[in-house]
Amino acid sequence: DQQVKQNSPSLSVQEGRISILNCDYTNSMFDYFLWYKKYPAEGPTFLISISSIKDKNEDGRFTVFLNKSAKHLSLHIVPSQPGDSAVYFCAASGGNTGKLIFGQGTTLQVKP
Amino acid sequence: SAVISQKPSRDICQRGTSLTIQCQVDSQVTMMFWYRQQPGQSLTLIATANQGSEATYESGFVIDKFPISRPNLTFSTLTVSNMSPEDSSIYLCSVEDGLSYNEQFFGPGTRLTVL
Repeated sequence: DQQVKQNSPSLSVQEGRISILNCDYTNSMFDYFLWYKKYPAEGPTFLISISSIKDKNEDGRFTVFLNKSAKHLSLHIVPSQPGDSAVYFCAASGGNTGKLIFGQGTTLQVKP
Repeated sequence: SAVISQKPSRDICQRGTSLTIQCQVDSQVTMMFWYRQQPGQSLTLIATANQGSEATYESGFVIDKFPISRPNLTFSTLTVSNMSPEDSSIYLCSVEDGLSYNEQFFGPGTRLTVL
């Protein structure tokens, strides 16, 4: 039972354009959502997060949107840069357990 | 943010043997976690390791297969016992620094190949 799903395994965008990565979840008890970026041979790096009491959080080029009624979140990167090319994981947690449930990841390629 | 190192960074092992992976953090943290990322898959939580108590394992993971030690607030080990090729994965430790709710910081991972 995949509680956090990233249905697009890959995404390719042109440098300077917007990248939109999507994530769906099934567990309504999740109250915190995070995005991580992972380069090959490295551990995931925290990017941005959002609490379930908000619908938007912005940090520089990165914005996360949360639609609780649809159980959907998205990460927008604008403008996209070649250095953004990596695997992006969304993750969810709930109940202050510290446990993170990860999606399958989306490989983003930003072409110069 | 916490700086985390893991040893070894990679290893190739024979089936039936065991490997112990070390995770070292540069600051004291309460909560440490061990994850597995099988080829082409997502990160899956193996267990939560808190100092002074037994590790808490997730469904599908057992202590006999993945014994964990947490002797102090900066160090933990995960052992992959009696390995089979299905154990070939990247094993990652992570910590929650207690300052940022639910944000976890990950080590670089240990890439394990079992022949």
